[in-house]
Amino acid sequence: DAMVIQNPRYQVTQFGKPVTLSCSQTLNHNVMYWYQQKSSQAPKLLFHYYDKDFNNEADTPDNFQSRRPNTSFCFLDIRSPGLGDAAMYLCATSSRVGNEQYFGPGTRLTVT
Amino acid sequence: KQEVTQIPAALSVPEGENLVLNCSFTDSAIYNLQWFRQDPGKGLTSLLLIQSSQREQTSGRLNASLDKSSGRSTLYIAASQPGDSATYLCAVIGDDKIIFGKGTRLHILP
Repeated sequence: DAMVIQNPRYQVTQFGKPVTLSCSQTLNHNVMYWYQQKSSQAPKLLFHYYDKDFNNEADTPDNFQSRRPNTSFCFLDIRSPGLGDAAMYLCATSSRVGNEQYFGPGTRLTVT
Repeated sequence: KQEVTQIPAALSVPEGENLVLNCSFTDSAIYNLQWFRQDPGKGLTSLLLIQSSQREQTSGRLNASLDKSSGRSTLYIAASQPGDSATYLCAVIGDDKIIFGKGTRLHILP
């Protein structure tokens, strides 16, 4: 089945130690999104790629970076995780911005 | 700036009842509105997408409506079941912005 896959499902990192989260999709969608969701809060869009074009949200901290080496894969890099970065990170795809979004299962990040 | 509000924040109803979840938004210039379900510790599952030109969408026991002029959408769940217990989120998709509500946490009592 076509789907959105996130690895790992659970990630523990130390304060200040860089970490990379992975997302892949078999839907061949043009757009890939990264969201941050903290407990009992709405998912917050960090950035998205339309093909190779990177679109950063204005309030996304510089600590968060992203790479999309090809259509299928997108990575979220957190350069120096702080305790406040502990959250669920959700990846989503859509055929174009404005169309239906399909989400992966998320990666829960813990920062110790 | 688009703001999305979901009321109530939590809802408990007996099994078998019909119920309505509400989503309101402040800027009517939207492309689409999408309803999701989220189980604890999991990702989001898409339930229904309503395009801005549509008034409603139906899928099984679910019916979503959209009134752009009043900035409202509702999700109607018929004959609720314990398996419907989850958090339901709406997302408003605009020109280049996707804004989520905080969700309604639904608990269906057996």
